[in-house]
Amino acid sequence: EADIYQTPRYLVIGTGKKITLECSQTMGHDKMYWYQQDPGMELHLIHYSYGVNSTEKGDLSSESTVSRIRTEHFPLTLESARPSHTSQYLCASSESVGGAWNEQFFGPGTRLTVL
Amino acid sequence: EDQVTQSPEALRLQEGESSSLNCSYTVSGLRGLFWYRQDPGKGPEFLFTLYSAGEEKEKERLKATLTKKESFLHITAPKPEDSATYLCALYGGATNKLIFGTGTLLAVQP
Repeated sequence: EADIYQTPRYLVIGTGKKITLECSQTMGHDKMYWYQQDPGMELHLIHYSYGVNSTEKGDLSSESTVSRIRTEHFPLTLESARPSHTSQYLCASSESVGGAWNEQFFGPGTRLTVL
Repeated sequence: EDQVTQSPEALRLQEGESSSLNCSYTVSGLRGLFWYRQDPGKGPEFLFTLYSAGEEKEKERLKATLTKKESFLHITAPKPEDSATYLCALYGGATNKLIFGTGTLLAVQP
């Protein structure tokens, strides 16, 4: 059973607001990821981290930022939300074991709507 | 460029009617192929990992197989609760990022 949590599950906000989407995992995984997914579309990687104080941008251009101060916590921040940010945001984590390419475990997601 | 294509886009089955979902890929060195199940409004749920051609994994009514060009998710005697979107994803040699297909939306009618 994967133990990865995201809050809030749903968020409706106005344009220009600053928001932080929370993601925590209790599995001790080194690697964590943020994906964006629109209905009926594939997941797109927007940020990832391979450990504390390590963050990288993914393939999809995003105006969001992330931080990794603790192993278990990987929050995503939007400084000024716009309607184009409306989407489902999914957090995931995976373990580093012997250099293998291991499966990622996903949280329940945050559905963000920017008016 | 690493690429993943899933077919069909949507599949409707009667309860008990077995079928297969396809995930074809082009990749410069497969490092791992994964199957996920995703229910509406939720995050993907991990099902299987396959690393090499010929490998098979099984769980309840689901069985995943892998060849050098594609993977199949076989569903035997499906039930309505198997209705979901099934996602295929892989790590290829050209990138260290997980590449997802767009999924197959499966509907099982009682």
